[in-house]
Amino acid sequence: AQSVTQLGSHVSVSEGALVLLRCNYSSSVPPYLFWYVQYPNQGLQLLLKYTTGATLVKGINGFEAEFKKSETSFHLTKPSAHMSDAAEYFCAVQGGKLIFGQGTELSVKP
Amino acid sequence: EAGVAQSPRYKIIEKRQSVAFWCNPISGHATLYWYQQILGQGPKLLIQFQNNGVVDDSQLPKDRFSAERLKGVDSTLKIQPAKLEDSAVYLCASNPGTSGDQETQYFGPGTRLLVL
Repeated sequence: AQSVTQLGSHVSVSEGALVLLRCNYSSSVPPYLFWYVQYPNQGLQLLLKYTTGATLVKGINGFEAEFKKSETSFHLTKPSAHMSDAAEYFCAVQGGKLIFGQGTELSVKP
Repeated sequence: EAGVAQSPRYKIIEKRQSVAFWCNPISGHATLYWYQQILGQGPKLLIQFQNNGVVDDSQLPKDRFSAERLKGVDSTLKIQPAKLEDSAVYLCASNPGTSGDQETQYFGPGTRLLVL
């Protein structure tokens, strides 16, 4: 069975600072891993995904994530936060159905 | 390309009433999903259709929830009767299926349901 744990339900950073959102997964099969972003009153939008190949994955809006099998992690980073990055971020694993973590709300302070 | 459409966007009902949600997936997408997102949680899959057939409905509370996808395009999700704990956002998503990118799901804006 697959599961996802996102460490920290709320993360606050200053504009221009590094963004780091943590995700650990459990999967009995080679996982497909995803990060989605949800802005208020909107659906989820795909930021990036890992299926196979290069373990460092680049996504939209300057985000990237690294798949580390030994650590069962898929943390999301962005070098410099922007006010528009404030949103809810969901990590998900797919080994059949898509299983989401509980989400991390990112706040960006001016 | 138009995205996934859902209606209504908001719905308030009394407990024990019935409610229906509608979803129109991206044109040509064979796979359609309904998710329930309770406040403070990630989305949870309720049902998955491949064309007009059900692939997975193991998490659907079948005593009160039903869903159909007639003709393999639009889909409706119904709750009858509603309970207080059904208050959530109901998200519809679609995917090209075997004819395209099978990993990425495209989400609609959701229907926010409040049961009083």
